[in-house]
Amino acid sequence: QITLKESGPTLVKPTQTLTLTCTFSGFSLSDSAEGVGWFRQSPGKALEWLALIYWDDDKRYSPFLRSRLTITKDTSMNQVLLTLTNMDPVDTGTYYCAHLSNLELQLRWFDPWGQGALVIVSS
Amino acid sequence: DIQMTQSPSSVSASVGDRVTITCRASQSIRSWLAWYQQKPGKAPKLLIYAASNLQSGVPSRFSATGSGTYFTLTISSLQPDDFATYFCQQTDTFPQITFGPGTKVDIK
Repeated sequence: QITLKESGPTLVKPTQTLTLTCTFSGFSLSDSAEGVGWFRQSPGKALEWLALIYWDDDKRYSPFLRSRLTITKDTSMNQVLLTLTNMDPVDTGTYYCAHLSNLELQLRWFDPWGQGALVIVSS
Repeated sequence: DIQMTQSPSSVSASVGDRVTITCRASQSIRSWLAWYQQKPGKAPKLLIYAASNLQSGVPSRFSATGSGTYFTLTISSLQPDDFATYFCQQTDTFPQITFGPGTKVDIK
């Protein structure tokens, strides 16, 4: 059974850097065809994809946030970290990590997802 | 950037009703579409992938069709556990995926 759980600060101040940790079990990011993605859901807005890291350390970022995002993995700890610099109140929302599933040999579907971590940006 | 739209934005229905939700893409996404269910305070749950494939463990009352720019999700007989918000997601431009705004299914 695959599970993921996000952790990190609930409240951050504007201009600070946010670091979120996704701790997972049930798979290993050292195995081929594995990946973890990050998403966020801001109030009144659609879900938004942020970043993705593959087993081979290939990293992909949303072009809209590329300059502010960094995704890394710690295979030994079964963790994926996401940092978002220069936080702004518009970055307020719930941040999710999700497992990249290999369904019918298609590495395009995220399942399951973590429970989410609420992040509020306020001074 | 591919834009996804959904209709209706909300629907009120009763247990046992048949409910259909529509998702449209701003350009062809072939069959690269997923449907998710999300309940308040919970994570999205994958229901359908590749436009019409039922994810393991998802009840057979859920079905979906479509390709190109037009897709539908149907719940054949609404159950109490189905009251939730449903999102479509395109993966044609993976990993730069985009989501629809959601359709809330609530109790009439």
